[in-house]
Amino acid sequence: SQQGEEDPQALSIQEGENATMNCSYKTSINNLQWYRQNSGRGLVHLILIRSNEREKHSGRLRVTLDTSKKSSSLLITASRAADTASYFCATVDQGAQKLVFGQGTRLTINP
Amino acid sequence: NAGVTQTPKFQVLKTGQSMTLQCAQDMNHNSMYWYRQDPGMGLRLIYYSASEGTTDKGEVPNGYNVSRLNKREFSLRLESAAPSQTSVYFCASSGLMNTEAFFGQGTRLTVV
Repeated sequence: SQQGEEDPQALSIQEGENATMNCSYKTSINNLQWYRQNSGRGLVHLILIRSNEREKHSGRLRVTLDTSKKSSSLLITASRAADTASYFCATVDQGAQKLVFGQGTRLTINP
Repeated sequence: NAGVTQTPKFQVLKTGQSMTLQCAQDMNHNSMYWYRQDPGMGLRLIYYSASEGTTDKGEVPNGYNVSRLNKREFSLRLESAAPSQTSVYFCASSGLMNTEAFFGQGTRLTVV
């Protein structure tokens, strides 16, 4: 089974609203990463948060990590139509060398 | 920079045929990965290579083999294709485990 479980599976909001996606995982991690995938394209890295960090910002993105609950959230503020995409969390386990993805959240921004 | 290059972009195989998907990166990365993506399933890790000369199984390795030919190239082979292997395949690379991964544009494989 896949490492990350993302919630919700699909999210539809109006342009300008904030979008929040959640990711839960099962193991002890080294870091957690978020990626975006536009339809039919390869994935693009958005942000990485290490296991000793609790919050990280990048532009309109805010990521939180709660290692006690084995969960992370991605907040996109002031959403735009161009943010329409699928978003995936991925984890790297402590002492491991592999990057494992969740099933993703499909985000639709309505103009 | 080209980044991660996958070939071919599209392929149709008949059941039982074999083929090799090629992947090359020009970023001097140590780690390389092969994933498959099916509708609604996200990306599932097939095999990965943490460094030149090493390969390890991921979540769904059955039916596949890999070769880390050198630091730049990591190929995925289907020895006897099955319809269940119809999917989009992505190759990725990363420098270290605490850094981002870069993805190729994918290979859309159909097995009939």
